[in-house]
Amino acid sequence: QQPVQSPQAVILREGEDAVINCSSSKALYSVHWYRQKHGEAPVFLMILLKGGEQKGHDKISASFNEKKQQSSLYLTASQLSYSGTYFCGTENAQGAQKLVFGQGTRLTINP
Amino acid sequence: DADVTQTPRNRITKTGKRIMLECSQTKGHDRMYWYRQDPGLGLRLIYYSFDVKDINKGEISDGYSVSRQAQAKFSLSLESAIPNQTALYFCATSDPSGDQPQHFGDGTRLSIL
Repeated sequence: QQPVQSPQAVILREGEDAVINCSSSKALYSVHWYRQKHGEAPVFLMILLKGGEQKGHDKISASFNEKKQQSSLYLTASQLSYSGTYFCGTENAQGAQKLVFGQGTRLTINP
Repeated sequence: DADVTQTPRNRITKTGKRIMLECSQTKGHDRMYWYRQDPGLGLRLIYYSFDVKDINKGEISDGYSVSRQAQAKFSLSLESAIPNQTALYFCATSDPSGDQPQHFGDGTRLSIL
């Protein structure tokens, strides 16, 4: 079953923060986050594994709450380059390497 | 050169025609995937292959078939195209060792009239 992302769309000014959520009705082993610019291929951001970890690089980080079967992506002090559609992909079992993607969250950053 | 190459990049064809989309990769990955992307629906898995002899259906395989000609090549066919197969198609690869990301090609935009 497809994970649910919220919000579906968000518009920010440069420098503001954003949180994108990804929720599943099934137990999760991992959550993958990707960003896609219009007309381009999705680009990998990070993977979070079962165990409730948090990861981050630069001003983009994410958390994984295993009990809630939910992951959140945090973008702080957003830059114009952060604009795009963000997808979470969920994996239900270790080694499955078969992702089910959410419907996407469109993020627009204005100057 | 791109690590994951899809051809053609764009294709317009008519209902009932047979179409093949091709994907080749230089990453040396065993695992390859075909996805379809429609506005508002995200990426949906059509077929996936964990090696040349292991091919599996995804969530929306009806109307599609695939061929894994070699480790580096994975083709998607629409035997008799219909308009609701108009979409953006992506090929992706991943390394089977550990928890690895998927690497996507640039996509094929397919329009069926």
